[in-house]
Amino acid sequence: ILNVEQSPQSLHVQEGDSTNFTCSFPSSNFYALHWYRWETAKSPEALFVMTLNGDEKKKGRISATLNTKEGYSYLYIKGSQPEDSATYLCALLFGNEKLTFGTGTRLTIIP
Amino acid sequence: DAGVTQSPTHLIKTRGQQVTLRCSPKSGHDTVSWYQQALGQGPQFIFQYYEEEERQRGNFPDRFSGHQFPNYSSELNVNALLLGDSALYLCASSFGGGREDTQYFGPGTRLTVL
Repeated sequence: ILNVEQSPQSLHVQEGDSTNFTCSFPSSNFYALHWYRWETAKSPEALFVMTLNGDEKKKGRISATLNTKEGYSYLYIKGSQPEDSATYLCALLFGNEKLTFGTGTRLTIIP
Repeated sequence: DAGVTQSPTHLIKTRGQQVTLRCSPKSGHDTVSWYQQALGQGPQFIFQYYEEEERQRGNFPDRFSGHQFPNYSSELNVNALLLGDSALYLCASSFGGGREDTQYFGPGTRLTVL
């Protein structure tokens, strides 16, 4: 069983500050790493799909990097806004096409 | 374009009963995956359907079964419900299941087993 670990479990950030959190995994034998944002009472929303070592993706104030050799991905949020409050999930996609999720980082932005 | 829809939103059952959850995929998608999210955990893969057949399965007992219809919609059936089956059940759809394909999730069905 592969453990996808996310840290921290929860995070409180002042509005306007930047923040980042981590997804770590023991193996590079996967097809892709997915990041999702999940707001309360809504559907998980896909943010990024990353496949290659050194991949960097950006969507507005949110960006992500992938380091398959050292087994981690970072998600960065620049200038946090209240609407960024959500749980951020990472998941690895293996050749059998199933996603293996971490337990998520719960982000709360303090106005 | 409607995204992934699931029904019902909430459901309360008692131990030993059977339940059926439904999912309609995003328009144009042909693959449906089901996940269980227990409290404090990340979503756990149950199984995936493609071309009306179960293509992959996670570590769930045979009490969990599914079906995919010709219109790509899907059902998740759970028999002989246990208290531990209480969870949020998520459905996700994609097209073809390629490695860079994003899975689009529905809002989930909250199942409570009493």
